[in-house]
Amino acid sequence: GAVVSQHPSRVICKSGTSVKIECRSLDFQATTMFWYRQFPKQSLMLMATSNEGSKATYEQGVEKDKFLINHASLTLSTLTVTSAHPEDSSFYICSASIARSYNEQFFGPGTRLTVL
Amino acid sequence: GENVEQHPSTLSVQEGDSAVIKCTYSDSASNYFPWYKQELGKGPQLIIDIRSNVGEKKDQRIAVTLNKTAKHFSLHITETQPEDSAVYFCAASIAGRRALTFGSGTRLQVQP
Repeated sequence: GAVVSQHPSRVICKSGTSVKIECRSLDFQATTMFWYRQFPKQSLMLMATSNEGSKATYEQGVEKDKFLINHASLTLSTLTVTSAHPEDSSFYICSASIARSYNEQFFGPGTRLTVL
Repeated sequence: GENVEQHPSTLSVQEGDSAVIKCTYSDSASNYFPWYKQELGKGPQLIIDIRSNVGEKKDQRIAVTLNKTAKHFSLHITETQPEDSAVYFCAASIAGRRALTFGSGTRLQVQP
């Protein structure tokens, strides 16, 4: 149980285009979902926290107009990277938290974004 | 905010030996401390966690200890196997706020 999926697993796009990444909790309802970014050989950096039906809370230094997050249901959150640039190339990982589970987060497999 | 430091950054052991990874945290309000294993190109997988009302927790070859007074916690892997090779991350969470703060990671290499 507690499986989180992400789609796509890899995406290559041209500079200036937008890319949408989906995060789904497959067998549980996630009241809270988190989006992380991970550069090669580095740790996970929290980008934003999203609660179903409300606006996401972004970490300091993360541009909310560039990284659009939507959490429309208890099983789906999306991250849209708008007007992507090569410096946005990274590994994006989502996680989901079950309300009744004390702080426990389940991570998706990640999405490798490459911007040319 | 919370700051989590993790050591060592790399660790190489012989198969069958034990491996220990240590983390310290800064915020005394933190009360949840998970450990994640991340294999190349994959998302982190929870391997064990501990809460602040417990000093030690064990699951087969993996154990975690917590010292709240000193604000540090450690991961112990016994009888290491080549498949234990991966990057391990510790994390801490502040009560009432479910976002995790991650350590910098430890690359564990188990030599057969």
